[in-house]
Amino acid sequence: DVKVTQSSRYLVKRTGEKVFLECVQDMDHENMFWYRQDPGLGLRLIYFSYDVKMKEKGDIPEGYSVSREKKERFSLILESASTNQTSMYLCASSPPGQGLAGADTQYFGPGTRLTVL
Amino acid sequence: AQSVTQLGSHVSVSEGALVLLRCNYSSSVPPYLFWYVQYPNQGLQLLLKYTTGATLVKGINGFEAEFKKSETSFHLTKPSAHMSDAAEYFCAVSSNAGNMLTFGGGTRLMVKP
Repeated sequence: DVKVTQSSRYLVKRTGEKVFLECVQDMDHENMFWYRQDPGLGLRLIYFSYDVKMKEKGDIPEGYSVSREKKERFSLILESASTNQTSMYLCASSPPGQGLAGADTQYFGPGTRLTVL
Repeated sequence: AQSVTQLGSHVSVSEGALVLLRCNYSSSVPPYLFWYVQYPNQGLQLLLKYTTGATLVKGINGFEAEFKKSETSFHLTKPSAHMSDAAEYFCAVSSNAGNMLTFGGGTRLMVKP
């Protein structure tokens, strides 16, 4: 079974702090993703990476950055946390897409519920 | 651009009743379609997916979904709800070259005893 783990289930930080969320997958997947989940808005893509040291902005990258130094690890960084970044953060990984036909199944970690005070 | 609309942010059914969760998508090319389930305090888990071939797709836990191109729909059904089906369900579409999914807003299913 694919396993995607996230470093913390719950995290409480103060406004202005630098926050690191870590994600590790054990299936040698090329693609990794960071989403945030808010009630009524579903999942919104923050960043994704299709290879080591490669990254692409998603729909809501403002206020976030990412790092992928190793294939199995994808980190989300909040440079200066703000209260509007209080949310559930979900990491996912997947094999490469099916070319023109579309994306393959994404496998999700358990999520990190971040509260910024 | 692709998009997904899930009608009804909350659906309530009685145990043993039919479950119907609605999903409509927009896409200019043939899509791949997914349903995910999220149990409380957990990540998302794949229920089923449609890529090509048979339009009626069976998934885990007795769920199935039918791809209807003419209606641009991919509704999720289960003949008889169980208390353990209470969760949030997300429909997602991929119809572009690449690796990304677009998710709907989610539907929270409540099952009454």
